[in-house]
Amino acid sequence: DAGVIQSPRHEVTEMGQEVTLRCKPISGHNSLFWYRQTMMRGLELLIYFNNNVPIDDSGMPEDRFSAKMPNASFSTLKIQPSEPRDSAVYFCASSFGGTHEKLFFGSGTQLSVL
Amino acid sequence: SQQGEEDPQALSIQEGENATMNCSYKTSINNLQWYRQNSGRGLVHLILIRSNEREKHSGRLRVTLDTSKKSSSLLITASRAADTASYFCATDAMPPGGYSTLTFGKGTMLLVSP
Repeated sequence: DAGVIQSPRHEVTEMGQEVTLRCKPISGHNSLFWYRQTMMRGLELLIYFNNNVPIDDSGMPEDRFSAKMPNASFSTLKIQPSEPRDSAVYFCASSFGGTHEKLFFGSGTQLSVL
Repeated sequence: SQQGEEDPQALSIQEGENATMNCSYKTSINNLQWYRQNSGRGLVHLILIRSNEREKHSGRLRVTLDTSKKSSSLLITASRAADTASYFCATDAMPPGGYSTLTFGKGTMLLVSP
């Protein structure tokens, strides 16, 4: 299995631009998580899906952030418009069985907003 | 907010020595998990201990859980240079009126020198 696949690995954009991060979870996993990691705040849960349905989006910072999971094998996290304070590493993770046990993480997207 | 807090923030040891990292948390949990993160990579699940368990082993890893003190420890025996990484504890808990969620601490950075 290829594991959780995220793209792009690096994204550099200018303030105000739209950014779309992509994630392909491990086949058969029915829970998908988006986390953001910064030095100051550590790892923060943004949103998680169970069977493609958003369950808890209380961690999404504001309306500029949106996430979708149109099918079991694909999810996107969109930031529009982007701001410098959005600069971080964004991780996607998936797990089996609808639980928060044993998450498999992707390699992350390093986002820099100038 | 951070549920788990690791201690120490950084640890430097020689190959062959044991490394002990601690995690304290605030609320009741379903389980506690430890993850490793190598520089520039995603997190990798190491071990999970449930709230009704006190100790668990996996290879050179030993995890203890004291629910009365709301604390856990991760022991890596006979450390190797390849163990150099950041180690995170994550607590699976259900806050009042909320959803079950996995919350990460800020991690302990372990450096193992040859």
